[in-house]
Amino acid sequence: DIVMTQSPDSLSVSLGERATINCKSSQSFNNNKNYLAWYQQKPGQPPKLLIYWASTRESGVPDRFTGSGSGTDFTLTISSLQPEDVAVYYCQQYYNSPYSFGQGTKLEIK
Amino acid sequence: EVQFVESGGGLVEPGGSLRLSCVGSEFSFTHAYMNWVRQAPGKGLEWVGRVKSKTGGGATEYAAPLKGRFTISRDDSKDTMYLHMNSLRTEDTAVYYCAADKGDCSSGTCTPVGMDVWGQGTTVTVSS
Repeated sequence: DIVMTQSPDSLSVSLGERATINCKSSQSFNNNKNYLAWYQQKPGQPPKLLIYWASTRESGVPDRFTGSGSGTDFTLTISSLQPEDVAVYYCQQYYNSPYSFGQGTKLEIK
Repeated sequence: EVQFVESGGGLVEPGGSLRLSCVGSEFSFTHAYMNWVRQAPGKGLEWVGRVKSKTGGGATEYAAPLKGRFTISRDDSKDTMYLHMNSLRTEDTAVYYCAADKGDCSSGTCTPVGMDVWGQGTTVTVSS
């Protein structure tokens, strides 16, 4: 099974500053494609898909959210933190079943 | 508005069974790959399993620890997916979400690329 590991577990960033969340896969994906999605989950809500193919932004997602990376190392960057970005963020691989999630990164405002 | 509504959660004793339902509305259920994802109190997301569309073969996949106790099925005539849970344990206590895979068809074939439509979840509590 593929294990997804996120870092850090929690993050405090000032409004307007950059937030960076990392996700590492225990194995790389074949076919030269990055089978990696990012989700945002706010308290009391279901997750929301932000990014797929590691870097393709879902429709309606603000462009301050950027996904990058390849191989086994991926990053979600929020360029200028807004109050509504406070949430837990998860990466997920959809290359092989079981389609595992990272443990989550809690993003707060400093 | 596209939405899923889960139901069937509740309090059950260890060793008991439950059947969860996920009903879709304003959604092309027939062609969707559908998932169950759970979240224990204060914990992260755990993928439970998936059922492919009938046109995709209709196969089911499960997280290994749950295989044999949990069964996913679908009834496209009712726009409904089910999660049958047997031999429930206290560690199965969680909010259970249903979610549809987003299909990326830009290459000519459709590839699941993550889950873009989610229900609000139904709570399962396993306790004596």
